[in-house]
Amino acid sequence: GAVVSQHPSWVICKSGTSVKIECRSLDFQATTMFWYRQFPKQSLMLMATSNEGSKATYEQGVEKDKFLINHASLTLSTLTVTSAHPEDSSFYICSARDVGDYGYTFGSGTRLTVV
Amino acid sequence: SQQGEEDPQALSIQEGENATMNCSYKTSINNLQWYRQNSGRGLVHLILIRSNEREKHSGRLRVTLDTSKKSSSLLITASRAADTASYFCAPTSGSARQLTFGSGTQLTVLP
Repeated sequence: GAVVSQHPSWVICKSGTSVKIECRSLDFQATTMFWYRQFPKQSLMLMATSNEGSKATYEQGVEKDKFLINHASLTLSTLTVTSAHPEDSSFYICSARDVGDYGYTFGSGTRLTVV
Repeated sequence: SQQGEEDPQALSIQEGENATMNCSYKTSINNLQWYRQNSGRGLVHLILIRSNEREKHSGRLRVTLDTSKKSSSLLITASRAADTASYFCAPTSGSARQLTFGSGTQLTVLP
């Protein structure tokens, strides 16, 4: 079945630095990928839709200059958290769907801790 | 896209018992999907039921859909400790591509 690989699985960074998270579809091409954020014991919040070769679509309230999304190829989308602050600490998850599949495949998530 | 609302928020049962969780939604759907999330992990797709289907089975999972009540239920039979996870439903409608999620049901299966 479809596999989505997300790296890193966890990262600790200092305030003010930037962190890049990668999401790869390993055995299928994904023109669209989705980025979610999840706080402890809460649901997933959709942050943005990543579109291959064009700009990402951000959900209301999500700062596009803060969370930079690049979807330069059909198998890779990246989320860069710029000038990270402790409040950006969260669990970030990406997902994609293979053509012909109805279910979405999720990455294993990235635990970001900003100190 | 619309999100489903799962009920109950938390459920604790003994191993071997059945677990039932429910999902309600607001507007008509094309299909409804159920996902499982183990702690600290991504979501795993469990099962999809289309709007013209009333019941679907997959292994120990049984999903029902009542479009007149705009609700779905997920039954896990003969539960195991490994079933401990959060369960989310995701109703999809129209041309929406993205999934949105409610708070989920946190299932704890005690050994």
